[in-house]
Amino acid sequence: RKEVEQDPGPFNVPEGATVAFNCTYSNSASQSFFWYRQDCRKEPKLLMSVYSSGNEDGRFTAQLNRASQYISLLIRDSKLSDSATYLCVVNNWNTGNQFYFGTGTSLTVIP
Amino acid sequence: ETGVTQSPTHLIKTRGQQVTLRCSSQSGHNTVSWYQQALGQGPQFIFQYYREEENGRGNFPPRFSGLQFPNYSSELNVNALELDDSALYLCASSLGQNYTFGSGTRLTVV
Repeated sequence: RKEVEQDPGPFNVPEGATVAFNCTYSNSASQSFFWYRQDCRKEPKLLMSVYSSGNEDGRFTAQLNRASQYISLLIRDSKLSDSATYLCVVNNWNTGNQFYFGTGTSLTVIP
Repeated sequence: ETGVTQSPTHLIKTRGQQVTLRCSSQSGHNTVSWYQQALGQGPQFIFQYYREEENGRGNFPPRFSGLQFPNYSSELNVNALELDDSALYLCASSLGQNYTFGSGTRLTVV
């Protein structure tokens, strides 16, 4: 079983739409959770960390459900510039500071 | 503050050859991790170096090896290249949970 599972999509949505991505992780001892954004042929860049209480950064909201081992990302009022691949990332300090990445979910925002 | 730099940016090698990829860590970061990202996949952990010692390894064969130098820069060496080694190789330096990726080296094995 993979450490992190994501729906690869693709998600094609019109500008202004709300879109949600989900991710599950297998190791209940995981401690840190992130969403990264990766543009085509570029390196991943941190979008936001994910906390149990949920957190929001502008149009982006991330949530963590430890009981279900489930992470989500909600993007409101989608912009053309949001088109990218979104990677769900999980980290467990006890097994070294390595990141486990999902395969990524591809989003295309259409004019 | 300089970021993480990787070299070369692109590389084409023949099956069976050896390759060395280089990474300069961000100032103040003492840990370097290497990842392989095949097309359409998420990055997969190769190994991590902390204070010049290997500090964790993913599911990669021994022909993938590395080094970290006293200035925390690092090398990834791959021997006996195979076609499936074609991928984007990402280096990330970190201090605690502050993780920064380089822009990667795109390796093509023909």
